Amino acid sequence: EAQVTQNPRYLITVTGKKLTVTCSQNMNHEYMSWYRQDPGLGLRQIYYSMNVEVTDKGDVPEGYKVSRKEKRNFPLILESPSPNQTSLYFCASSSAGTYTDTQYFGPGTRLTVL
Amino acid sequence: QKEVEQNSGPLSVPEGAIASLNCTYSDRGSQSFFWYRQYSGKSPELIMFIYSNGDKEDGRFTAQLNKASQYVSLLIRDSQPSDSATYLCAVGGQTGGFKTIFGAGTRLFVKA
Repeated sequence: EAQVTQNPRYLITVTGKKLTVTCSQNMNHEYMSWYRQDPGLGLRQIYYSMNVEVTDKGDVPEGYKVSRKEKRNFPLILESPSPNQTSLYFCASSSAGTYTDTQYFGPGTRLTVL
Repeated sequence: QKEVEQNSGPLSVPEGAIASLNCTYSDRGSQSFFWYRQYSGKSPELIMFIYSNGDKEDGRFTAQLNKASQYVSLLIRDSQPSDSATYLCAVGGQTGGFKTIFGAGTRLFVKA
């Protein structure tokens, strides 16, 4: 089954404790992206990747890191989480690496930083 | 100024009616336009995409694009209670970039 998976689905942590949210897709997609979703603000893009070893900042990259060492994986790293990073996070992927393609979303990770 | 604007709603329509959802965007260079549906607690799923001016129909859904007015809309005919969700407008292909910008979404309630 074609899908985007994220782990963990739920995470409660404390300020400053480094964490990684994994994202993996099995569709051989070139383009992958991370979003956060907050009430009233919609989905905001954090980082995106056009292909292996190619990443770029979205609209809200501060406090986040990403890497793209393999085509299928695109982990999101919070080196020192803060309470304002409490949010619902989605990973997405699309084929051909262009803006015209439909993005397929993972199930989401609900993160709470205390 | 937000780059993609939607009425937050909620928009309430009776079952069987036409629901009209609207979206405006600020970047004239935008080239691709998407409507996603998101049920509460779930991830967004694509309903339609449109690239050219005019209408595009898919079943009960019609997307309309007017690039001159920087306006895109989604019409849902014969609305069903199962259509109750938040509808996200997304705009891609901004000038000089590969970002996708989402609106905050419009909540739709279809009353049985």
